[in-house]
Amino acid sequence: ETGVTQTPRHLVMGMTNKKSLKCEQHLGHNAMYWYKQSAKKPLELMFVYSLEERVENNSVPSRFSPECPNSSHLFLHLHTLQPEDSALYLCASSQDPPSGGPYEQYFGPGTRLTVT
Amino acid sequence: GQNIDQPTEMTATEGAIVQINCTYQTSGFNGLFWYQQHAGEAPTFLSYNVLDGLEEKGRFSSFLSRSKGYSYLLLKELQMKDSASYLCALYNFNKFYFGSGTKLNVKP
Repeated sequence: ETGVTQTPRHLVMGMTNKKSLKCEQHLGHNAMYWYKQSAKKPLELMFVYSLEERVENNSVPSRFSPECPNSSHLFLHLHTLQPEDSALYLCASSQDPPSGGPYEQYFGPGTRLTVT
Repeated sequence: GQNIDQPTEMTATEGAIVQINCTYQTSGFNGLFWYQQHAGEAPTFLSYNVLDGLEEKGRFSSFLSRSKGYSYLLLKELQMKDSASYLCALYNFNKFYFGSGTKLNVKP
């Protein structure tokens, strides 16, 4: 596997379900991100982990719970979601300064989530 | 927020040159990035600017003027496969702030 992978690619869940999204990066990066992308809206940053510590929680409802067990893996745990949470959830990784090098983000293919 | 503004949609002809603008209002940032996103796919990195001026990468170039709060992405020799959304993003201390994107339609 190369780059950033996400599973599952598609998920349909009811409002009372609990599910988890998984992201894995094979790039040796030290920062990982969760984004939400809804139709006709900018990418919304949800969470940032740098060196496995959460450095950003962008006023995200508590029904979304991130977990970063190591620098290569990132999870987003979902419970009691609402229909308006239906969106594409994208994971990304980057190599943050001051480690040096280009620090653009590499995105995974996303999980298309539908809440019914 | 960073108030990042991009035109919603543009149309250009195959073989032509197109400039996609991005304006922003922020007091400071580390870098400005451009991403390409085809429908149904993840964004992919195109170019970034830290300092003012032009960065050239093949058919794509990006320009930044911090004093004017302005950047643009220049696409030369347009191809049909360039039809996609183009996202401008500011990077500031672990955070990326994205614009809504510009949907570019390339016609024959």
